[in-house]
Amino acid sequence: ILNVEQSPQSLHVQEGDSTNFTCSFPSSNFYALHWYRWETAKSPEALFVMTLNGDEKKKGRISATLNTKEGYSYLYIKGSQPEDSATYLCAFPGGGADGLTFGKGTHLIIQP
Amino acid sequence: NAGVTQTPKFQVLKTGQSMTLQCAQDMNHNSMYWYRQDPGMGLRLIYYSASEGTTDKGEVPNGYNVSRLNKREFSLRLESAAPSQTSVYFCASSDTGTAAYEQYFGPGTRLTVT
Repeated sequence: ILNVEQSPQSLHVQEGDSTNFTCSFPSSNFYALHWYRWETAKSPEALFVMTLNGDEKKKGRISATLNTKEGYSYLYIKGSQPEDSATYLCAFPGGGADGLTFGKGTHLIIQP
Repeated sequence: NAGVTQTPKFQVLKTGQSMTLQCAQDMNHNSMYWYRQDPGMGLRLIYYSASEGTTDKGEVPNGYNVSRLNKREFSLRLESAAPSQTSVYFCASSDTGTAAYEQYFGPGTRLTVT
């Protein structure tokens, strides 16, 4: 079973502040790294799928970087808004070929 | 475009009862997945189907069976429900099974086994 670690487990951020959190994954046999956003009472939605070392992806105020050699990815949120409150999941292929192994997530709460 | 749909949304079973969770996608995806979500745990893969006619075990397959009925539908069956199977079940699909493609999730089925 692969180990995908996310930190911190939860995070309270003031509206307007920027924040970031980490996903660590096995650096050997890298294939892809996924980030998902999961709002309460909804289903997870994909943010990014990253495949190249040094990759940086951006969607609005959210961006992510990838370091496959050392096995980590950072997710950044610039100028946090209340609608950014959600659990952010990272996932790594494994534990069954096509399926994903998910981290436990970072629960982000934006305080007005 | 409905995406991934799941039925039922909620279900309560008694220990030993059986039931089938239904999942369908309308995106012409080849790969489909079943995950379970438990408090304090990440989403865990139960079974997946890389293409129509194939299914494979994931991390936590015990107590479950699956059927890939056709390209659209992937069902999960609990033959004899146990309290340990109380969970939220998510179905997902992706274009291919190469894991370089994002997965699209259904709304989930909340199952309670008493």
